[in-house]
Amino acid sequence: AQSVTQPDIHITVSEGASLELRCNYSYGATPYLFWYVQSPGQGLQLLLKYFSGDTLVQGIKGFEAEFKRSQSSFNLRKPSVHWSDAAEYFCAVALLGGYQKVTFGTGTKLQVIP
Amino acid sequence: NAGVTQTPKFQVLKTGQSMTLQCAQDMNHNSMYWYRQDPGMGLRLIYYSASEGTTDKGEVPNGYNVSRLNKREFSLRLESAAPSQTSVYFCASRGQSAYEQYFGPGTRLTVT
Repeated sequence: AQSVTQPDIHITVSEGASLELRCNYSYGATPYLFWYVQSPGQGLQLLLKYFSGDTLVQGIKGFEAEFKRSQSSFNLRKPSVHWSDAAEYFCAVALLGGYQKVTFGTGTKLQVIP
Repeated sequence: NAGVTQTPKFQVLKTGQSMTLQCAQDMNHNSMYWYRQDPGMGLRLIYYSASEGTTDKGEVPNGYNVSRLNKREFSLRLESAAPSQTSVYFCASRGQSAYEQYFGPGTRLTVT
């Protein structure tokens, strides 16, 4: 069965510092990969997605993620964090081939300090 | 476009009471989903509907029923609420040609 691991439950960074959130997946083939962000009291918003092609994908709000097949990872990065980036971030994978299911990681809560 | 809307935003129930959570999308999406979100557990799929007229169980369907009323609307019903169903419930929809899902703002449900 597919699974998604976000090893960091909570991360604190200073405003202006760089950020990397880790995501590892377990699946026999390359799935579709996503990062979502959830601000407090809100639903999830798609940041970026990877289906195929260039392994470095750009998303909204200045985020990017890199797919590394050899490490089964899809880490999210941002060069300079803003206070408004404080939120919870979810990595997700979807099976190929038309099946409907998306599996979400347990989330990483980001705190940004001045 | 409103995207995905959910009602109500908040609800408190007593054990044994019933209620229906409503979800609607205006993006002409075929697929719709209900998730629950609990601390430290991410999102877990309760039920989904691949298209109008079809529904299927997800990971945690016990205690819930769903209705795909039409292409726009997908409701979730708790027939006899239990404290274990205290959670935040999210509805989502997905278009035909992509795998990303679009989420509603959520319903925070407390069962006492």
